[in-house]
Amino acid sequence: QVTLKESGPVLLKPSETLTLTCTVSGFSLSDPRLGVAWIRQPPGKALEWLGHIFSSGEQSFTTSLKSRLAFSRDASKSQVVLMMTNVDPADTATYFCVRIDGITLDYWGQGTLITVS
Amino acid sequence: QLVLTQSPSASASLGASVRLTCTLSSGHTNYAVAWHQQQPGKGPRFLMKFNVGGGQNRGDGTPDRFSGSSSGAESYLIISRLQSEDEADYYCQTWGTGGVVFGGGTKLTVL
Repeated sequence: QVTLKESGPVLLKPSETLTLTCTVSGFSLSDPRLGVAWIRQPPGKALEWLGHIFSSGEQSFTTSLKSRLAFSRDASKSQVVLMMTNVDPADTATYFCVRIDGITLDYWGQGTLITVS
Repeated sequence: QLVLTQSPSASASLGASVRLTCTLSSGHTNYAVAWHQQQPGKGPRFLMKFNVGGGQNRGDGTPDRFSGSSSGAESYLIISRLQSEDEADYYCQTWGTGGVVFGGGTKLTVL
């Protein structure tokens, strides 16, 4: 059974750094076909792709946040980490990690609400 | 720049069928398009993906009441025999040169 679960702080102050961990089970982060995407959803708004990381090390970031985002992965711990620097109230959102199989986003985490205030 | 456009809202009666549409922006055709469902208060879940060439992938547990297609600049999600739990937001999604692109979502109300 494939699962993903996000964890991290629920409240940050402006200018702080957000660190979120996605812990996965049911698949290996070493599988060359698989990756993990980060997606967020501000309250009452649509989904926004932040970026993704594959086992090959390939990473991609949305242009508007590229300078503030970094991803890393630890296959031995089955974890992917998102770091976002210099957070702002506009970054308040529910953050999801999602498995990518090829080009299919097929399993979503439950999401975690991050508030910047 | 690739943009996916969805109607903000749709409604249909219990037991009826509804078709949701996702339109790719001008100059973009024949992309694989996926659909995700987000029920109230929950995270999204993958429903199905329509591949270029006609094949499709279904998510785990996606009922066969869900179907659809993609062709040219449009993708359709068809929900038959509507049930109350189908009331949700539906997002279409594809890949552009810059990464993943989502539509703005359609809020489906089951009357």
